[in-house]
Amino acid sequence: ETGVTQSPTHLIKTRGQQVTLRCSSQSGHNTVSWYQQALGQGPQFIFQYYREEENGRGNFPPRFSGLQFPNYSSELNVNALELDDSALYLCASSLGGLPRNEQFFGPGTRLTVL
Amino acid sequence: AQTVTQSQPEMSVQEAETVTLSCTYDTSENNYYLFWYKQPPSRQMILVIRQEAYKQQNATENRFSVNFQKAAKSFSLKISDSQLGDTAMYFCAFNPSNTGKLIFGQGTTLQVKP
Repeated sequence: ETGVTQSPTHLIKTRGQQVTLRCSSQSGHNTVSWYQQALGQGPQFIFQYYREEENGRGNFPPRFSGLQFPNYSSELNVNALELDDSALYLCASSLGGLPRNEQFFGPGTRLTVL
Repeated sequence: AQTVTQSQPEMSVQEAETVTLSCTYDTSENNYYLFWYKQPPSRQMILVIRQEAYKQQNATENRFSVNFQKAAKSFSLKISDSQLGDTAMYFCAFNPSNTGKLIFGQGTTLQVKP
C-alpha cells in the first residue's frame, strides 16, 4: 500500500508568480484535502475534493484553486503569489469526506515566496 | 466560529514519565469529532487518537489516552511512559460531523528528555 506523496518537496517562487503543487492519494482513497501550515502554526483548511468535485472550502481567496483527477490525485494551484503564501502545504487523503474517515497526511511541500 | 485552543506552546517531560497536553474548543454543535495529531520533526502528520463526541467513554490507544469533558469543551491528551520518539509537535483538531474540514489548534511542542 502506497502512502500519500507530494511533489515537489521544496519550491522557491517570486511574488506574482503562479505555482502548482501535486498530491498522490493513498491507494483506494477518493478524497483529498489541502491545508496551509505557516511556520510554527497549526494547519489551516484550504479545500477538499471528493470524487473530482470540490466538497468544502476554507477562508482562502479564489487565487487558491484545485483539481482532482480520475485517479484521485490532486493539484493545488496558487496564482499571483504573495509573501504570506510562504508555508508548508499539506495534502491528506481519505476514503470519503466525512470525519469518521481518517485523513492520512503527506510529507508536505515547503513553498517560499521571495 | 469554531475554534481550537492549545494554551501550552512548549512542554517537556522526562523519559518514562507521564505528561498531559491541554486543548479546549468552541462549537455550538452537538455531534463532532476530536483528534490529536503528532507531527515529528520530519513533518509527516500522524493520527494519534480520535474521539467521537457522542461517545462518553474516553478513547485509549496504548500509551495515549484522552480526557474528554464535553460540557467544558475540553479534550486533553495524556501520554504515559513517555519515550524519546514521542518528541514532536502535537495538534488538537476538531471536525464537525457533516464535513471533512479539520480545524487545528496552534500546537504544543513536546520534548522528551533522556
